[in-house]
Amino acid sequence: AQSVAQPEDQVNVAEGNPLTVKCTYSVSGNPYLFWYVQYPNRGLQFLLKYITGDNLVKGSYGFEAEFNKSQTSFHLKKPSALVSDSALYFCAVRVTTDSWGKLQFGAGTQVVVTP
Amino acid sequence: GAGVSQSPSNKVTEKGKDVELRCDPISGHTALYWYRQSLGQGLEFLIYFQGNSAPDKSGLPSDRFSAERTGGSVSTLTIQRTQQEDSAVYLCASSARRQVGTEAFFGQGTRLTVV
Repeated sequence: AQSVAQPEDQVNVAEGNPLTVKCTYSVSGNPYLFWYVQYPNRGLQFLLKYITGDNLVKGSYGFEAEFNKSQTSFHLKKPSALVSDSALYFCAVRVTTDSWGKLQFGAGTQVVVTP
Repeated sequence: GAGVSQSPSNKVTEKGKDVELRCDPISGHTALYWYRQSLGQGLEFLIYFQGNSAPDKSGLPSDRFSAERTGGSVSTLTIQRTQQEDSAVYLCASSARRQVGTEAFFGQGTRLTVV
């Protein structure tokens, strides 16, 4: 089965410090990976995706993600975190074997950025 | 429309009543998804539409749940004889093309409370 795992329920970081949110995946075939962010009482917002090509993907709000095939990881990063980055972050993989359309989400990682 | 629109934004219903949740996808988007997010939980896939057909209904929790999509646009998710465990935020998303690399755009959700 294709899936993603987010090993950390919560990440705490001080404003201005680097932020990393971890995601590992398990897929058969090529991985199609996505990151979404959910602010309080809001829907999910798309941040970035990896389809093919460069392993470093740049997205919205200064976020980037590094695809690592050997480690089956797709960690989300931001060089300098802001208090406004405090939110719930989800990693997702496109399921291509049984239903190509479905996005399979991780459990989410709560990011808390302190001033 | 400019984004995925869901209505109502909040719904409180009595146990045993039926409810209908509506999703209006981005104009021209052929794929539509329903997810459920319970408090403190990740996203649970419910059903996926391509056009008016639903190739994947595997996530519907029980036969009390059904969904339809008409005219390749608006979708309604119906929950019959609601139970307290149905309380959750129901999220709808749409995407433009039948390609695995296409991201989905989410609405702000309908918060359902069954009392």
